[in-house]
Amino acid sequence: AQSVTQLDSQVPVFEEAPVELRCNYSSSVSVYLFWYVQYPNQGLQLLLKYLSGSTLVKGINGFEAEFNKSQTSFHLRKPSVHISDTAEYFCAVILTDSWGKLQFGAGTQVVVTP
Amino acid sequence: KAGVTQTPRYLIKTRGQQVTLSCSPISGHRSVSWYQQTPGQGLQFLFEYFSETQRNKGNFPGRFSGRQFSNSRSEMNVSTLELGDSALYLCASSLSPSATGELFFGEGSRLTVL
Repeated sequence: AQSVTQLDSQVPVFEEAPVELRCNYSSSVSVYLFWYVQYPNQGLQLLLKYLSGSTLVKGINGFEAEFNKSQTSFHLRKPSVHISDTAEYFCAVILTDSWGKLQFGAGTQVVVTP
Repeated sequence: KAGVTQTPRYLIKTRGQQVTLSCSPISGHRSVSWYQQTPGQGLQFLFEYFSETQRNKGNFPGRFSGRQFSNSRSEMNVSTLELGDSALYLCASSLSPSATGELFFGEGSRLTVL
C-alpha cells in the first residue's frame, strides 16, 4: 500500500516565484515526516522534518512545510525560488510501527527557469 | 567531517554475475541503511543495520543481502544479477536507528546490468 503520494511529478516555476510541492500520506499509526532534495548526480539531503510540536516547520534554503493531520498532508513551500533550487524533491515518512524504514514518495522534479 | 562514502561510484556487470557495494558511514554513526533508486520504482528501502545487526528489511528477494562490520562500515551484495537490478544504490548513515534522526546519504553506486 502506498504510504506517500506526491501529487505532482514535475513543477515548472519561474525564478523568484513561489512554489508549493504537495505531499499526502496514509497511515493508521503515527508518522514522522520528512522532505529531502536530490540535486543531479548526488545523494539526498534533508530539507526539513516534522516529529512533533509546531505544525509549521522551517528548513534549510528558505523552505518550510506545514503538517496537517486532518488532511494527512505535509506540503512544502518556498516563497521565492532560485535557479539553484532546480532539483528533485522527495517527501518521506517513517511509520512508528516500522522504525528505521523511510518510505519515499515518487518525487517531484522542480525546474526553475529565468 | 567526511561524509558518507560509497564505492565504487559506477560499475557495469552482466546478467548472472554478482556485485558487492561498500559504504563507509560518517565517523561516529552506527546505523547504516541502503536504498535502491530506479526511474520506475523510485526510492525503495532495502535494509538497515545497527551494531552489526540487521534491524529492518524491505521487500527484496534473497539475492539482495548485506552486512555491517564492527567499524560500522557496511556492504551489500546482489547475486545472480538481473537487468532489473540496474539502479542507483544509496547508502545512508545516522547516529542511531533512523526513527527520528536525520539520514545522511552518500552519492550512490550506479550499477548497470547488461
